Amino acid sequence: SQQGEEDPQALSIQEGENATMNCSYKTSINNLQWYRQNSGRGLVHLILIRSNEREKHSGRLRVTLDTSKKSSSLLITASRAADTASYFCATDPTSGSRLTFGEGTQLTVNP
Amino acid sequence: DGGITQSPKYLFRKEGQNVTLSCEQNLNHDAMYWYRQDPGQGLRLIYYSQIVNDFQKGDIAEGYSVSREKKESFPLTVTSAQKNPTAFYLCASSTSGTVMYYGYTFGSGTRLTVV
Repeated sequence: SQQGEEDPQALSIQEGENATMNCSYKTSINNLQWYRQNSGRGLVHLILIRSNEREKHSGRLRVTLDTSKKSSSLLITASRAADTASYFCATDPTSGSRLTFGEGTQLTVNP
Repeated sequence: DGGITQSPKYLFRKEGQNVTLSCEQNLNHDAMYWYRQDPGQGLRLIYYSQIVNDFQKGDIAEGYSVSREKKESFPLTVTSAQKNPTAFYLCASSTSGTVMYYGYTFGSGTRLTVV
């Protein structure tokens, strides 16, 4: 079963704009992670945020986590055409030993 | 460079055939995973292994088999019992333990098509 659900399913923006993607989940987690997948390729790990953290930054990425609402958001600032990809959240549940992935947000950044 | 290698990149299977997808890692990771991805969808876990000579079924294990004889290798066999095998298959690895510090490292995938 898919623990994480991303919203929106698809997002199209202009280069230079910010992109925000959201993820909701259902059970208690140790951490939440975001991955990027370029078309036809494997996933690349972007950032991991622990359940006791509320915000984390990495370059142009900003991730927030609200465990009371069981939700997370990924913000990509000053987007570039090269950011065009699918973005997945993945949850590391306290009850299990492996990640569970959502269905992803397809981001298109138009030049 | 350390990483995960999946081969082949493209694979064609005839009806009734078994095929094996290769996954090799040189990251010294204990845990390895196989995921299936259908078009426009997320990843579904097929099998995972946290240690050599041990593996567990994931959410969609029917019609698949694996082995873990070496730490570096985790091949996936798609058997004739898998009725709809056409998909993109992704292998991943990670460190093991109760606390995860890093994410998974993924291979570049194998696209399997039934002909």
